Amino acid sequence: EDQVTQSPEALRLQEGESSSLNCSYTVSGLRGLFWYRQDPGKGPEFLFTLYSAGEEKEKERLKATLTKKESFLHITAPKPEDSATYLCAVQGLGNEKLTFGTGTRLTIIP
Amino acid sequence: KAGVTQTPRYLIKTRGQQVTLSCSPISGHRSVSWYQQTPGQGLQFLFEYFSETQRNKGNFPGRFSGRQFSNSRSEMNVSTLELGDSALYLCASSYSNYGYTFGSGTRLTVV
Repeated sequence: EDQVTQSPEALRLQEGESSSLNCSYTVSGLRGLFWYRQDPGKGPEFLFTLYSAGEEKEKERLKATLTKKESFLHITAPKPEDSATYLCAVQGLGNEKLTFGTGTRLTIIP
Repeated sequence: KAGVTQTPRYLIKTRGQQVTLSCSPISGHRSVSWYQQTPGQGLQFLFEYFSETQRNKGNFPGRFSGRQFSNSRSEMNVSTLELGDSALYLCASSYSNYGYTFGSGTRLTVV
């Protein structure tokens, strides 16, 4: 069964203080690893899909990387508007469902 | 282009009642998935439909059911509601199963 573990559960950073969020996963054949951002009371907002080890993707202050066992979401010089819960999910080969981690709640303090 | 639309946004139901939630996917998306999100369990997969056929189902009791119409719109139904069914129900649509766009969800409260 696919499993996803995210750490830390919560992270408080000062504005401009860079850090990384971790997503460890086990899946029998990776079809894709997804990162989402979720604000309170809203649905998850798509950020990135990674398909194979070594792949990296960037968007503004965010950069996602992938190895065979984990993914990192690096946030550089964050701003208060980056405060949200960041969710990681995996999809196995031949599988239509996403298996989610429980998320990292990120708070950026001005 | 319009996103995934879920209705209603909020619902309050009494134990034992049933409820139907609706999801309109992005135009052209034929795959619709449903998830339940609770503070304790996070996002849990309910089921996925493609061209009116259920292709995959999560580990939920038979009280949870769904369907998809020929225009790709989907509904999910929960019968004999229990307090533990209180959650945010999310719908996601996809064109090719390589990227999923979520709606804002329906917040169901069972009292």
